[in-house]
Amino acid sequence: DTEVTQTPKHLVMGMTNKKSLKCEQHMGHRAMYWYKQKAKKPPELMFVYSYEKLSINESVPSRFSPECPNSSLLNLHLHALQPEDSALYLCASSHIIGGLGEKLFFGSGTQLSVL
Amino acid sequence: AQSVTQLDSQVPVFEEAPVELRCNYSSSVSVYLFWYVQYPNQGLQLLLKYLSGSTLVESINGFEAEFNKSQTSFHLRKPSVHISDTAEYFCGEVKAAGNKLTFGGGTRVLVKP
Repeated sequence: DTEVTQTPKHLVMGMTNKKSLKCEQHMGHRAMYWYKQKAKKPPELMFVYSYEKLSINESVPSRFSPECPNSSLLNLHLHALQPEDSALYLCASSHIIGGLGEKLFFGSGTQLSVL
Repeated sequence: AQSVTQLDSQVPVFEEAPVELRCNYSSSVSVYLFWYVQYPNQGLQLLLKYLSGSTLVESINGFEAEFNKSQTSFHLRKPSVHISDTAEYFCGEVKAAGNKLTFGGGTRVLVKP
């Protein structure tokens, strides 16, 4: 199994809603990542988890709350989002955190629309 | 300032013609360089990477990229493209001993019949 699975594929939410994005991998990877990708732009790193601990937070607003309950799962909890948060949210994983040029495996993403 | 620059935002090309996608990096320290491809409605997939050694790296589907330290470039080439190569291509870098993959702005390749 060389896949990173993200659910849901599409999500529409209001600014007062609370929702969660889920990511799962069964490759034994110990580094997991959240990226945000606006239309026609490159992915931008949000968070990195290494061995289930938050390693990098790229100054992401607190309305985004990541969680890594175990080595296979990564969640992104959303609350009080703004319309400008609408984007494709990509999850990725790698064997270890990327300093040795590790390949990242990406999921297909969750297309989020905030109304 | 962006550390990875992709000079072309769009490259239209006819089927079976060659294509070159340009990428320049600005880091003065050792880096690892990557090309990722994103097909429509999908996540990114690694195409090829340069870590060290031979400056010419190849992928299994006919792409190749050459690391040029003096020009701080890592251009991607394919001698003959297929319709299925239509996608967005991202150049990326990870600084040595770093842990953050940073992408360039992307180049959209549109292969026409």
